[in-house]
Amino acid sequence: AQKVTQAQTEISVVEKEDVTLDCVYETRDTTYYLFWYKQPPSGELVFLIRRNSFDEQNEISGRYSWNFQKSTSSFNFTITASQVVDSAVYFCALSEADSGNTPLVFGKGTRLSVIA
Amino acid sequence: GAVVSQHPSWVICKSGTSVKIECRSLDFQATTMFWYRQFPKQSLMLMATSNEGSKATYEQGVEKDKFLINHASLTLSTLTVTSAHPEDSSFYICSALSLSSYNEQFFGPGTRLTVL
Repeated sequence: AQKVTQAQTEISVVEKEDVTLDCVYETRDTTYYLFWYKQPPSGELVFLIRRNSFDEQNEISGRYSWNFQKSTSSFNFTITASQVVDSAVYFCALSEADSGNTPLVFGKGTRLSVIA
Repeated sequence: GAVVSQHPSWVICKSGTSVKIECRSLDFQATTMFWYRQFPKQSLMLMATSNEGSKATYEQGVEKDKFLINHASLTLSTLTVTSAHPEDSSFYICSALSLSSYNEQFFGPGTRLTVL
């Protein structure tokens, strides 16, 4: 069975600090996708990244970066120089890729509060 | 491109009434749509998989007679909460799989249901 664990329930940082959100996953599939979503208070999910299991290269997009470590089944997300607008709940998610027709399994989310 | 809409964005109803929520893929076709439910401060949980032209597949613990799903076209799936009760109050989010994009899901903005 697939499972996504986000051990950090809530994190609070002061603006301009760097913060890393942890994500550990479990799956028996050799082909899968990993995702990160941001959910602001409005509720709408904002897509941040999708990474397939064969691409272990780390990714950087502006202040965001992701570290995919297959050996430890982790897909951590770092925000550099955090801003108040980064305050939201962040979800890590996993889906099988073989059939191309599978739903996402979400972690419980990490609530990030960035204080000015 | 790849926009998914939901209607209504929020609804308040009396206990015992039925509520219909629409999920539309606006600029692509989707043979498969997923319905998720999110209780306050919790994660998204898959309720059911909606397949165009066939019966929906429900997750364990989700009552199919209470949550009626109809996927009548390649761009529309509806979720009807029948005889709603206060415990059905939740945030309902749909996602649609694009036919032209392998395993890529696009999420709607969500519908917040409050049952009095």
